[in-house]
Formats: sequence, C-alpha cells, structure tokens
Amino acid sequence: DTAVSQTPKYLVTQMGNDKSIKCEQNLGHDTMYWYKQDSKKFLKIMFSYNNKELIINETVPNRFSPKSPDKAHLNLHINSLELGDSAVYFCASSHSGRAGEQYFGPGTRLTVT
Amino acid sequence: KQEVTQIPAALSVPEGENLVLNCSFTDSAIYNLQWFRQDPGKGLTSLLLIQSSQREQTSGRLNASLDKSSGRSTLYIAASQPGDSATYLCAVTDSGGGADGLTFGKGTHLIIQP
Repeated sequence: DTAVSQTPKYLVTQMGNDKSIKCEQNLGHDTMYWYKQDSKKFLKIMFSYNNKELIINETVPNRFSPKSPDKAHLNLHINSLELGDSAVYFCASSHSGRAGEQYFGPGTRLTVT
Repeated sequence: KQEVTQIPAALSVPEGENLVLNCSFTDSAIYNLQWFRQDPGKGLTSLLLIQSSQREQTSGRLNASLDKSSGRSTLYIAASQPGDSATYLCAVTDSGGGADGLTFGKGTHLIIQP
C-alpha cells in the first residue's frame, strides 16, 4: 500500500490557468507538507499543516493555497499559473508528536507553457 | 535562518569502496536530521533519521552520525554497489517539532562505477 500518494503525476497546463494537485496519506500522521523542487533540484518547504494550523513559508506567493478536507489529505491549489511555477511538487507527512520522520510522495511534475 | 550544506556536490567511486558524504548546518538547535536518497525522476526515500539526542544510526551498509554542537553529520556507505547511485539529501528539522518542515541541502550526486 502506498503511504503517501499524489495525483496527478504529470500536469501540463497553460499560463493563467488554475490547477490542483491532490495528496493523500494513509499513515495516520497529523502533519502534512508541500515542498517545491526547482529546476536545479533544490527542495524547499512551502507549507506545513497540523491540526488546522497552517504555517506558510514567506516566499510562497498567495496564488498557492493548501486545502485540507480531512487529516489524511492536503491538496495544493494554484491560481493564475506562471511559467516560474514549473517544478516538481512533493507532498509529505509526519507525526509531529514522535520522531517527526517525514515520508514523501512520488511527486507531481508541473509544466506551465 | 537555517542553512544546510552538503559536500561534495558530486562523487564518483569504483564499486566496493567505502565512502563518506558530509552535511553541515548553521543552527545547532535542531529536532532531528534525516538522510534521503532520490533516484532520477523519483520521490525521496528516507534512509536514516537521527534525533538530536542521538549520535548515530545504522541501517544495513549505511551509518549516519550526528555532531549537533559542531553542526555536522556524515553518511557512511560501506562496500558501495552500483545500485547506490543516486542523489543523497540531508535535511534538518529545527527545534519546535517540525511544523516548519525540513530544510534541505542541495544534495550529493553519487555515481558508483561497476
């Protein structure tokens, strides 16, 4: 069984569109994250979400918004897509009260044309 | 602001050699440190997690050490194999329990020559 899953795996869209990436974890974790891996392969935290508390990295544009319908899901919504949003987006989860080991999804490659 | 540096950026060694990957971080107030591997076009696989109170962790041919006071960690790979070829990433969780996520280094791209 996949621990952290993301859909879609690939997403190609045009500038100005709005898109969503879904993330689900079946590990019973209470904290979920979104990371962005840029073209130079550098990974950077975008959001963390724990018990309805959202922590946002200050560099993330407000066009990006995470939505959590329940503890097992944290979806990423992106409005008015720009060329610079092209990257691989990774979802992760952890249990904040324990070791905090993070488990990552397979990633979603977003290409904005 | 936490910064994580990994040295070397790339490493190529013959099969069978033992090797060490280095990681340093600027703020020693960490909760834990995690080593990952990433294969091309794939996600991240967690290799080892070291809590701030621990000095090392071992899993098979891998051994990770942590010297929190000096802001350093090493990943030792014994008897390297071609299947170990990947990018190895070091990441830290700042103290506070992880709500701010992991801060990553830029990785070491490892090639094991058959």
